[in-house]
Amino acid sequence: RKEVEQDPGPFNVPEGATVAFNCTYSNSASQSFFWYRQDCRKEPKLLMSVYSSGNEDGRFTAQLNRASQYISLLIRDSKLSDSATYLCVVMGGYAGTASKLTFGTGTRLQVTL
Amino acid sequence: DGGITQSPKYLFRKEGQNVTLSCEQNLNHDAMYWYRQDPGQGLRLIYYSQIVNDFQKGDIAEGYSVSREKKESFPLTVTSAQKNPTAFYLCASSIQAGELFFGEGSRLTVL
Repeated sequence: RKEVEQDPGPFNVPEGATVAFNCTYSNSASQSFFWYRQDCRKEPKLLMSVYSSGNEDGRFTAQLNRASQYISLLIRDSKLSDSATYLCVVMGGYAGTASKLTFGTGTRLQVTL
Repeated sequence: DGGITQSPKYLFRKEGQNVTLSCEQNLNHDAMYWYRQDPGQGLRLIYYSQIVNDFQKGDIAEGYSVSREKKESFPLTVTSAQKNPTAFYLCASSIQAGELFFGEGSRLTVL
């Protein structure tokens, strides 16, 4: 089983739709979680950290479910500019490397007119 | 503007040649990282450095070398020992664990 698993997509959604991605992780000792956004052939950029209580940033909501070992990203009112690959990143859970980051392969979102 | 600058953006290399990828940051971050990205795979850590004159191997360090003589600079050398060097190389820095700032990347192609 991969340490961090994401559905590669693509998720094709019309503008204005709500879309959600999940990401599962295998190490129950993982400590911190993040979503990054990567545009085609560009560098990843931090979208948001994922807090235990869940957090929201405008149209984006991130949630953590420790019991089932997954995090989710919800995007409301999708815009064309949201088209990108969304990377799930899990930190920690390994002895001696508390800040080790494990990247998922990403979920591609395509928002259409 | 503060940020991370990688060069070159595109690089072609013949087999058997060493190449060095530059990474410079003016964010005053202590920690710097080199990742490699291949199609269908997550980013994989090559080397990282938490302070000047110190660095550690990541998950796939074989065939690579780094130096950290200045806080601002963390160059990566891809040696001829690296079996499959064609990839997208990303340099990053951070001030808080997990929150990385990436450069625009360097695409290396071995001919």
